[in-house]
Amino acid sequence: DIVMTQSPDSLAVSLGERATINCKSSQSVLYSSNNKNYLTWYQQKPGQPPKLLIYWASTRESGVPDRFSGSGSGTDFTLTISSLQAEDVAVYYCQQYYSTPYSFGQGTKLEIK
Amino acid sequence: QVQLVQSGAEVKKPGASVKVSCKASGYTFTSYAMHWVRQAPGQRLEWMGWINVANGNTKYSQKFQGRVTITRDTSASTAYMELSSLRSEDTAVYYCGRGLNVDLVATMGYWGQGTLVTVSS
Repeated sequence: DIVMTQSPDSLAVSLGERATINCKSSQSVLYSSNNKNYLTWYQQKPGQPPKLLIYWASTRESGVPDRFSGSGSGTDFTLTISSLQAEDVAVYYCQQYYSTPYSFGQGTKLEIK
Repeated sequence: QVQLVQSGAEVKKPGASVKVSCKASGYTFTSYAMHWVRQAPGQRLEWMGWINVANGNTKYSQKFQGRVTITRDTSASTAYMELSSLRSEDTAVYYCGRGLNVDLVATMGYWGQGTLVTVSS
């Protein structure tokens, strides 16, 4: 099974500043036949289901603000929020869909400093 | 618009079974995969399995193999997740999640509101 590990576990950033969350997979999630990384980022606010932000490691879902971006390949990935807004306070999860079981990271709690 | 509406909260005794439903609307039910994910209190999201809604084929996480059954009723546009031999560690919020599209079967673009299942004697 692929183990997903995020860092840090929690993060406090000032409004308007950049937030960076890392995600590492125990094995590559890059599928060589199509050169795509099978990695998704979700945002979860308290009492709500997760919300899809990014898939294929760097493709923003429709309607997601462009301050959210994803990068990385193979085993190391990053979610960046370029200018933190108050409504971005949430827990962020990465998930691999390269192979079953489709595993999630432990989550990174993002707060306002 | 796409909506997934799950059944209400459940309280079960250890050893019992629970069946959670997920009623879909706003799209062609048989055109998209449906996944089940759970979240125990303070824990990470945990993928349980998925169903190819068109043909009924399923794939389960080995962790739940033998205890979980995912089915669907295409006439009712509803997917179901049944978990048996419940134990206290199964206390969690259970979510259904729809595959984003035919290329992104395992990326959950739409989610139900969640169903709290509490296992307690």
